[in-house]
Amino acid sequence: TQLLEQSPQFLSIQEGENLTVYCNSSSVFSSLQWYRQEPGEGPVLLVTVVTGGEVKKLKRLTFQFGDARKDSSLHITAAQPGDTGLYLCAGGPGSARQLTFGSGTQLTVLP
Amino acid sequence: GAVVSQHPSRVICKSGTSVKIECRSLDFQATTMFWYRQFPKQSLMLMATSNEGSKATYEQGVEKDKFLINHASLTLSTLTVTSAHPEDSSFYICSAKPAGNTIYFGEGSWLTVV
Repeated sequence: TQLLEQSPQFLSIQEGENLTVYCNSSSVFSSLQWYRQEPGEGPVLLVTVVTGGEVKKLKRLTFQFGDARKDSSLHITAAQPGDTGLYLCAGGPGSARQLTFGSGTQLTVLP
Repeated sequence: GAVVSQHPSRVICKSGTSVKIECRSLDFQATTMFWYRQFPKQSLMLMATSNEGSKATYEQGVEKDKFLINHASLTLSTLTVTSAHPEDSSFYICSAKPAGNTIYFGEGSWLTVV
């Protein structure tokens, strides 16, 4: 069974601070996605990384896929209250085209 | 972009009754859909894989007789929670994948069993 561990589980920071969320596994994934989810809504895809060592930027968000495709990080610069939400990494899809979800990071950005 | 829609978004039912949640792919055909369960501030837990025209594949620990899944067409999968109990109260989410690598999620359905 492929497992994805995210850290930290909870993170509360002040507006303007920087933060990094980590997603680690002992398994290799063909691709890795990052999602953001708000309460009562489905996850929304932020980015997909597929190549080891790949770095993608989405405004103030920087995503990196590890060289061995076993881990990933999400870095947010100058966090804003609108960044508050549950961040989920997900690896795959596997042979059944399903995703393996990380344990999640609940981010709260205080104004 | 591809859209997956769930209905209802919120439902309250009495303990012992059954409730059906629908998951539709609105602009693509999906031979496979996935059903997840999520508790507040926790990650998604895969419950089952819904296969069009065949039986669903359930994850370990998920009671197939309690969570009935039917995937009767290429655009619709349903999850029926039978003989619901308060502990079944949760947020249920479906997903589907058109051609390509992107997986799309429904908006989710809040189930409250009273």
